[in-house]
Amino acid sequence: DTGVSQDPRHKITKRGQNVTFRCDPISEHNRLYWYRQTLGQGPEFLTYFQNEAQLEKSRLLSDRFSAERPKGSFSTLEIQRTEQGDSAMYLCAGGQVTTEAFFGQGTRLTVV
Amino acid sequence: GNSVTQMEGPVTLSEEAFLTINCTYTATGYPSLFWYVQYPGEGLQLLLKATKADDKGSNKGFEATYRKETTSFHLEKGSVQVSDSAVYFCALSDPGGGADGLTFGKGTHLIIQP
Repeated sequence: DTGVSQDPRHKITKRGQNVTFRCDPISEHNRLYWYRQTLGQGPEFLTYFQNEAQLEKSRLLSDRFSAERPKGSFSTLEIQRTEQGDSAMYLCAGGQVTTEAFFGQGTRLTVV
Repeated sequence: GNSVTQMEGPVTLSEEAFLTINCTYTATGYPSLFWYVQYPGEGLQLLLKATKADDKGSNKGFEATYRKETTSFHLEKGSVQVSDSAVYFCALSDPGGGADGLTFGKGTHLIIQP
């Protein structure tokens, strides 16, 4: 158990709807990362936070994707106007500056 | 940009066989290198890491050596068990250090038969 929890574990949505995923790292994780993983591929980095500051967001896939970490604890990833190509596993990871990333079990999104 | 190439699976071995999963990378500077493992139904877990050339990471009988001259970080285990069946990912971090924006390979599915 890495201590990183994600909710929901599975989400099925209709094309065009907005979805939001939540990630709760442990309190020691001042860094928080979001990745996307499609079938047969390794995780693809999207964005990360140090405390509440979003330090890298140029790798978000489009302007339909946004992430927040308002109090430096939990984080949310929102996808607006979902498309079928957004179907994937969305992974969150927590860590500290000097440690490796600890991954949650992910949220599997299916857009129908 | 950074990239990681690892051997494609599935790799099927018998219990107690010797395992090698090849991983090579392209990066500017000197990245840290990682192997992550994903067991069925579970999240990614760090298996081992190496932060500089010639370092050897080891854990649970697995080993990998950071080879700068060949830009490789091959994963090895002398005697695999059925419980080692999983997907293994090689990854590197930006040379700035830490775990910012890890770049992963596509993963290698390992199947160990009794």
